[in-house]
Formats: sequence, C-alpha cells, structure tokens
Amino acid sequence: NAGVTQTPKFRILKIGQSMTLQCTQDMNHNYMYWYRQDPGMGLKLIYYSVGAGITDKGEVPNGYNVSRSTTEDFPLRLELAAPSQTSVYFCASSYVGTDEKLFFGSGTQLSVL
Amino acid sequence: AQSVTQLDSQVPVFEEAPVELRCNYSSSVSVYLFWYVQYPNQGLQLLLKYLSGSTLVKGINGFEAEFNKSQTSFHLRKPSVHISDTAEYFCAVSPSNFGNEKLTFGTGTRLTIIP
Repeated sequence: NAGVTQTPKFRILKIGQSMTLQCTQDMNHNYMYWYRQDPGMGLKLIYYSVGAGITDKGEVPNGYNVSRSTTEDFPLRLELAAPSQTSVYFCASSYVGTDEKLFFGSGTQLSVL
Repeated sequence: AQSVTQLDSQVPVFEEAPVELRCNYSSSVSVYLFWYVQYPNQGLQLLLKYLSGSTLVKGINGFEAEFNKSQTSFHLRKPSVHISDTAEYFCAVSPSNFGNEKLTFGTGTRLTIIP
C-alpha cells in the first residue's frame, strides 16, 4: 500500500534554477495539498486541489505553481529558485476536504544555494 | 482567522513516565482539533481528532487529548511513554465550517524519551 509518494527525497538547487517536485497518491483521494515546513515553524499551505483540473492558492503560494491533470498526481513547480524556498516540502491527500485526516508523503528536503 | 500555540518546543521525559504536551488555540468560530505526529524522516500521521461530542478523545499508541472549550486548550497526554514515542508532535485547528485548506498547524513539540 504505497499511499502518498513524493520524489525526490533530497535536492540541491542553485539560485534561479527550476524544478518540479512530484507527488502521487494511489488512494483515489479527491483532495491534495502541498505544504512547506521551515525549522521551528508549523506547516504552511502552499497550494491545494479539490479534484482534477481544480487548484487554489494556500497561505504561501508566491514562487510556486501547481497543476492537477489527474486524480493521482499533483506536481509542484518552482520556476526561479530562491534561498527563501529552502525548506522541507510535504504533499498530502484526503478523501474529502473537511474533518478528514490528511495522509502525508515522507517529504522532499530542498536546499537552494 | 485562528491560531495555535504550542508553548513547549522541546519536552524530555523519562521512559515509562507520563507526559502532557500543551496546545492552546484561538478562534472566533467553532473548531475541529487535531494532533499529528512526525517520526524522524517521515511525514505526519494523525494521532487523534476532536470534531464534536465527548471532550476526551482517544487516539492511537495510547495517546489521548481533552478538549477544554473554556480554556481553549487541547492538551495531549500519555500515562506511560516508550522510546518509540520519540517524535515531533503538532497540534492543528480548523474552523468547523471550512475544509482542510484552513487547517492551521502549531510550531510543534519535540518529545525526547530518556531511557
């Protein structure tokens, strides 16, 4: 039972480079989320999706883009990496959007130097 | 908007001793409350949640939490901890009339179990 799978686990980027963080879930969940976790801080929501073709901004969307072409996949795109985007990124999913627990991936540790 | 405060960033506890991790929230509307646990190098997992009803909520791995509306608290407790409970614990709150996109996480409490 794979659950939520994120790739890569680690990545170092140079300032200005771009990359895509991949997220796939095999639970047929409608809702998917991207969070970032900075040291000593709680998780902050970047973007979320309530179904294929529908995405919306979270609390900290600047510098990121997302797409949701299928139920399973929810990639996060960084276009021009900046040091402020150094963080641990978590993808999560849930079957419904309210009072339902989130299933998290194991995270991507990203450093921008 | 709501907020969550976890006053203790680190809590060291001897093995088999009891533990309480504190969580206070602020909200102008009714809320749902959650505790998540993050083991080293893993994503977060749900420990327990309060939606309505009984204020004492039991979760996995012997943890429980009590919702106290008058004190706006949702403290997490375990009567006897084990080495395997070493992890970071996050309290989270969302307005009951909104979805998970409004979920606000606390800054986390790192629980260290001393053998």
